[in-house]
Amino acid sequence: NAGVIQTPRHKVTGKGQEATLWCEPISGHSAVFWYRQTIVQGLEFLTYFRNQAPIDDSGMPKERFSAQMPNQSHSTLKIQSTQPQDSAVYLCASTAGYEQYFGPGTRLTVL
Amino acid sequence: GDQVEQSPSALSLHEGTGSALRCNFTTTMRAVQWFQQNSRGSLINLFYLASGTKENGRLKSTFNSKESYSTLHIRDAQLEDSGTYFCAAEKASSSFSKLVFGQGTSLSVVP
Repeated sequence: NAGVIQTPRHKVTGKGQEATLWCEPISGHSAVFWYRQTIVQGLEFLTYFRNQAPIDDSGMPKERFSAQMPNQSHSTLKIQSTQPQDSAVYLCASTAGYEQYFGPGTRLTVL
Repeated sequence: GDQVEQSPSALSLHEGTGSALRCNFTTTMRAVQWFQQNSRGSLINLFYLASGTKENGRLKSTFNSKESYSTLHIRDAQLEDSGTYFCAAEKASSSFSKLVFGQGTSLSVVP
C-alpha cells in the first residue's frame, strides 16, 4: 500500500500562471478530500468527492479554483491565474468511510 | 462556524515526562482524529475515535462527544515525538465528512 500519492511535491509558478495538482487516492477508497495548509489559516477544507462525484465544495474559493475526479484513481486541483496568496501546502486525503489518510502534500509557491 | 479549539499551542517536555493536549468543540462532533505532523510535513495518523478511549504505546486518546472534547496524552516522551500535533473532528452524521482542524500544538521534546 503506497498510501496517498501527490504530485508534484513542490511547484513554483509565476503570478498569473496556472497550476495543476494531482492526487492518487489509496486503492479502494471511495472518497477524496482536498485541504490547504498555511501558517495563517492552518489546515482548511477545500472540497471532496465520493465515488468520483463532487459532494461538497464549500471551502473552495469561488474564482480560479476547480477540482475534478475523472476516474477512481486520481483527482486534480487546478488553480488558474495563481496569486501570491495561493501559496500553501495542498493536501489530499482519502477514506473508505471513516479514518482519513493524507498524502505528503504539494507545496505551491507563487512568486 | 464550527470550530475546534486546541490547547496548548506550544509545549516543551523533557525526555521521559508526559503531558496532555486537549481539543474542545463548539458543536457536537461525530468523531475525532489525531495526527502528528513530522518535520517533512507529513500528517501521520495517530488515532481515530468515535467514542471512548484508545491507547497505542505511549499515547492515549479519549473522545467525549457529549461534553465536546478530546484529549491526547503522551507519556515517557522521546525526542522523536517532537512535531506538531493536530486534532480534527467530523461534524456530520454520515460516514463521509470534512475534517475541521484545530490550530495545532507544537511539541518540543528536549534532553
